[in-house]
Amino acid sequence: DADVTQTPRNRITKTGKRIMLECSQTKGHDRMYWYRQDPGLGLRLIYYSFDVKDINKGEISDGYSVSRQAQAKFSLSLESAIPNQTALYFCATGGSEDTRYFGPGTRLTVL
Amino acid sequence: AQSVTQLGSHVSVSEGALVLLRCNYSSSVPPYLFWYVQYPNQGLQLLLKYTSAATLVKGINGFEAEFKKSETSFHLTKPSAHMSDAAEYFCAVTEGWNFVFGPGTRLSVLP
Repeated sequence: DADVTQTPRNRITKTGKRIMLECSQTKGHDRMYWYRQDPGLGLRLIYYSFDVKDINKGEISDGYSVSRQAQAKFSLSLESAIPNQTALYFCATGGSEDTRYFGPGTRLTVL
Repeated sequence: AQSVTQLGSHVSVSEGALVLLRCNYSSSVPPYLFWYVQYPNQGLQLLLKYTSAATLVKGINGFEAEFKKSETSFHLTKPSAHMSDAAEYFCAVTEGWNFVFGPGTRLSVLP
């Protein structure tokens, strides 16, 4: 079984809809991250959490929110999706500052 | 703030030819450096990591990278390209606990 899983893998939605992307990990790491990947821009950090009670904004948090339901679960929400949020979204975990383990990604299209 | 540049958004090589993917970072302090590979419809997979133990780092699938402090570079090489190497490659460096990613280079391998 994969160490970091994401659901759904693909999602098409309409402008204004609320969307939740889910991430689960079995690595036992405290640190979890959400990234967004756009062509030519690499990965940019949306939100991060160092433990269940710790939630922090990354460089591009506007329009997004997160929930850390447990050590193993970290969800990303788009309260009102807009077309420029069309992107590939990755969840990652890390046991220390020099490690990241990535999920398979969620491809989100906002029409 | 740290930044990462990858020269060439798309690189094409013939099967059996040398692969050279370039990465430069901006900080004068040697951080941790990484190369990740992303195959189609998959997450990022760690190829190799520099942690100051040795300037020439060997990774998986025959890839290696050399850290050159004077040039602030961490270029990725493979002596002989294989069709299965076709993917997107990301260079990343640490800035404290954070990872800063380059924009990525898509590698095509021609038969």
